[in-house]
Amino acid sequence: SQTIHQWPATLVQPVGSPLSLECTVEGTSNPNLYWYRQAAGRGLQLLFYSVGIGQISSEVPQNLSASRPQDRQFILSSKKLLLSDSGFYLCACQRGPATNEKLFFGSGTQLSVL
Amino acid sequence: AQSVTQLGSHVSVSEGALVLLRCNYSSSVPPYLFWYVQYPNQGLQLLLKYTTGATLVKGINGFEAEFKKSETSFHLTKPSAHMSDAAEYFCAVSASSYGGATNKLIFGTGTLLAVQP
Repeated sequence: SQTIHQWPATLVQPVGSPLSLECTVEGTSNPNLYWYRQAAGRGLQLLFYSVGIGQISSEVPQNLSASRPQDRQFILSSKKLLLSDSGFYLCACQRGPATNEKLFFGSGTQLSVL
Repeated sequence: AQSVTQLGSHVSVSEGALVLLRCNYSSSVPPYLFWYVQYPNQGLQLLLKYTTGATLVKGINGFEAEFKKSETSFHLTKPSAHMSDAAEYFCAVSASSYGGATNKLIFGTGTLLAVQP
């Protein structure tokens, strides 16, 4: 089964600073990859998904971007963080391309923007 | 497009009582439906899923859910709550796909289940 490595586990950043969260996957090839943000009262919000290298779809207009430089690497970035970017970020992996496969989640990154 | 509505952000039940967590979905194509659970200080894990076939789906830890197309619902139930069931539960929907189209798993806002002794 898939294993997802996500780091760092916690991060405190000042407003206006850059961000880079990395997610790597083991145990599968050509997975679908996702970035979700979990905010209190808002559940899991899909931010980005990718079906292959260099293929990124954005779900929500925002201050963030994503990249997939390698098959099993998914990066979430920002050039300048906002206070509203605070939250719990989860990377998820799914054996593609079938859509009935379950998601495997990373352990998440708690981001606090101060 | 798909969407999910979970009624009740907080649900409290007594130990041994019935657990009912509500989920309604909207989908323009036949949906795949999921329930995920997040225990305190743990990651998300799949509880059960409906894809095709039998509409009553059984999951881990005694939970089950029934897909009702006429009601666009996928409520989660458990006959008798245990203290260890206290967690946050997320309903999710994705589009069934026969062409390899990208899956977008859309989650509800979650329901926090508290179990009282």
